[in-house]
Amino acid sequence: QKEVEQNSGPLSVPEGAIASLNCTYSDRGSQSFFWYRQYSGKSPELIMSIYSNGDKEDGRFTAQLNKASQYVSLLIRDSQPSDSATYLCAVNVNQAGTALIFGKGTTLSVSS
Amino acid sequence: GAVVSQHPSRVICKSGTSVKIECRSLDFQATTMFWYRQFPKQSLMLMATSNEGSKATYEQGVEKDKFLINHASLTLSTLTVTSAHPEDSSFYICSARDNRGGTAPLYFGPGTRLTVL
Repeated sequence: QKEVEQNSGPLSVPEGAIASLNCTYSDRGSQSFFWYRQYSGKSPELIMSIYSNGDKEDGRFTAQLNKASQYVSLLIRDSQPSDSATYLCAVNVNQAGTALIFGKGTTLSVSS
Repeated sequence: GAVVSQHPSRVICKSGTSVKIECRSLDFQATTMFWYRQFPKQSLMLMATSNEGSKATYEQGVEKDKFLINHASLTLSTLTVTSAHPEDSSFYICSARDNRGGTAPLYFGPGTRLTVL
């Protein structure tokens, strides 16, 4: 069974610090990896996608992918209180029509 | 990013009634849409995959006769919760992927919060 694992947290960091969120997945055939942010009571919002090994940066966010280790992470630099949310890691195996498999999410709390 | 709309955003109904939720992709076509459900403080759970012009595919444990899905066009899928009961109260979220790319991410609608009294 395909699984995506995340530490549920909460992960607490002070404002301005780097938040590091981690995710592992079980299916070696996985091709596409995504990070979504979900505020309480709202639907998930895509913040990063990554498809190849290495780092991908977008503003304060950096996604890191290591397919050999089946590991994907998200770094948030200069964390802000508005970053406080649940971050969902999602994976798919790149088959047409395949839904994403989600982890249970890591709750991040950034204190001012 | 791509836009997915969902209607209604919130519905309160009596036990035994049916509720229809609409999901539309506004600026792209989606052969496949996905319906998720999320209970408080829990993760997203895939309920079913909605396929344009054919029957939906349901996940294990999801009753197809209770959660009716219709995907009548490339931009519209509907989920009808039939004979709703209080245990069906949840946050229902649809999602869709642009037809043009298998690697494209899923975009989510804003969700529908269903409360069954």
